[in-house]
Amino acid sequence: GENVEQHPSTLSVQEGDSAVIKCTYSDSASNYFPWYKQELGKRPQLIIDIRSNVGEKKDQRIAVTLNKTAKHFSLHITETQPEDSAVYFCAASGETSYDKVIFGPGTSLSVIP
Amino acid sequence: DSGVTQTPKHLITATGQRVTLRCSPRSGDLSVYWYQQSLDQGLQFLIQYYNGEERAKGNILERFSAQQFPDLHSELNLSSLELGDSALYFCASSVGEGPPPYNEQFFGPGTRLTVL
Repeated sequence: GENVEQHPSTLSVQEGDSAVIKCTYSDSASNYFPWYKQELGKRPQLIIDIRSNVGEKKDQRIAVTLNKTAKHFSLHITETQPEDSAVYFCAASGETSYDKVIFGPGTSLSVIP
Repeated sequence: DSGVTQTPKHLITATGQRVTLRCSPRSGDLSVYWYQQSLDQGLQFLIQYYNGEERAKGNILERFSAQQFPDLHSELNLSSLELGDSALYFCASSVGEGPPPYNEQFFGPGTRLTVL
């Protein structure tokens, strides 16, 4: 079946450094790619998303890039802060149909002060 | 606080039993989504209801069912429970019918189900 791979599964960075998380998807019909942040014991929160007609999107310290040909997309966090420590999930779905949304297994990011 | 409420917060039950999880969406939201988050399967979309009708169906088992009532609250029924059903069950709500990105989802705090 279709799936979404996510790497690395754990990531540890020093405060102020950048963090990059990569996802690869298999369903060529996917054209919407959200990223969620989930702090320990809390609910998932959408932090940024990108649609297939866009190659890159930025929101302050967070950016997402998409390579549709290679079927991969990445989350970039610059100037990391301790409050960025959380599990990050990528997902891939159709833009008009949510039936086939698939989430990546998650990346546990630790930012060391 | 997202405005989405879920009850109960925790539920412990035995294999073979049936449970009902409840979700109240934010005021004004017509869509409710259910998700399962387990250690084995990660985060999975189960089902979406919009204004009382099923709109999208994900990886929901036949032993599970859901419905949305006229007051827009939703219930997820899990029957013939197995150990592997132990998970955190989230609901989310949004204003419209369409999926993200057209309708931002707001997640509830989740119900932690433990099957012994």
